[in-house]
Amino acid sequence: SQQGEEDPQALSIQEGENATMNCSYKTSINNLQWYRQNSGRGLVHLILIRSNEREKHSGRLRVTLDTSKKSSSLLITASRAADTASYFCALNTNAGKSTFGDGTTLTVKP
Amino acid sequence: DTEVTQTPKHLVMGMTNKKSLKCEQHMGHRAMYWYKQKAKKPPELMFVYSYEKLSINESVPSRFSPECPNSSLLNLHLHALQPEDSALYLCASSQVLASYEQYFGPGTRLTVT
Repeated sequence: SQQGEEDPQALSIQEGENATMNCSYKTSINNLQWYRQNSGRGLVHLILIRSNEREKHSGRLRVTLDTSKKSSSLLITASRAADTASYFCALNTNAGKSTFGDGTTLTVKP
Repeated sequence: DTEVTQTPKHLVMGMTNKKSLKCEQHMGHRAMYWYKQKAKKPPELMFVYSYEKLSINESVPSRFSPECPNSSLLNLHLHALQPEDSALYLCASSQVLASYEQYFGPGTRLTVT
C-alpha cells in the first residue's frame, strides 16, 4: 500500500515544547506533503518536500525526508496551544494521486 | 483569492433523495479533487479532474457522480446513498496534477438517514 504510516498516533505536550511527528511509506514518491486539520474542518497545506530534497523550513516548521529509509518527519518548534490539530502526511505520485497517512493528533496544553 | 468554497456546509438527506455538493475555486487551478473523510480517519481520494476531464476514479460506487462543468466548478451528485456514506466530503484544487500543494475547502458534513 502507498499509504503513509504516521507515529505517534497521538502526542500531548506543554506549550513551548517541540513536537515531532514521523511518516513512513513503502513505495516511490514524487513528493511528500504535510497538512494540518483542525477538528472537523478542511486541511491546510503546511510544507511540500520533493523527492530530491532533504530538508525544508517554514517558520517554526521543519520537515526532513530520507528517501533511502522512506520516511519523513515534521518538527514543530516552540509549540503553541493554537498548534493543537491533526497532522497528516500525504504521499504524491506522478500519477496524480495523493494518499494520506493515518495522522497524528497533537494536543498542546497551555 | 486562495480560497476553495464548498456548499452546503451541512446536508441531511434520506436514502431516496438526490442532492448535489458544490465546490468552487478562482485560483486558476486546473486540477480538482473530491475526498471522503470519516471521523478520526484520513481523507480518502474519490475523484480527480485534470483540465476538466476525469483523470482518476478510485472505484467509487455509481451513487456518487462527479461533474466538472468548467475549470472553476466541481460538483458531486448524490443519489440513493447509504447511511455508511455519512462523512465529511472535502474538495481540493491544485495548480496542476501531482506536483503542487492542494488547497482544501472546509468540507460538507453529510448525514444520510
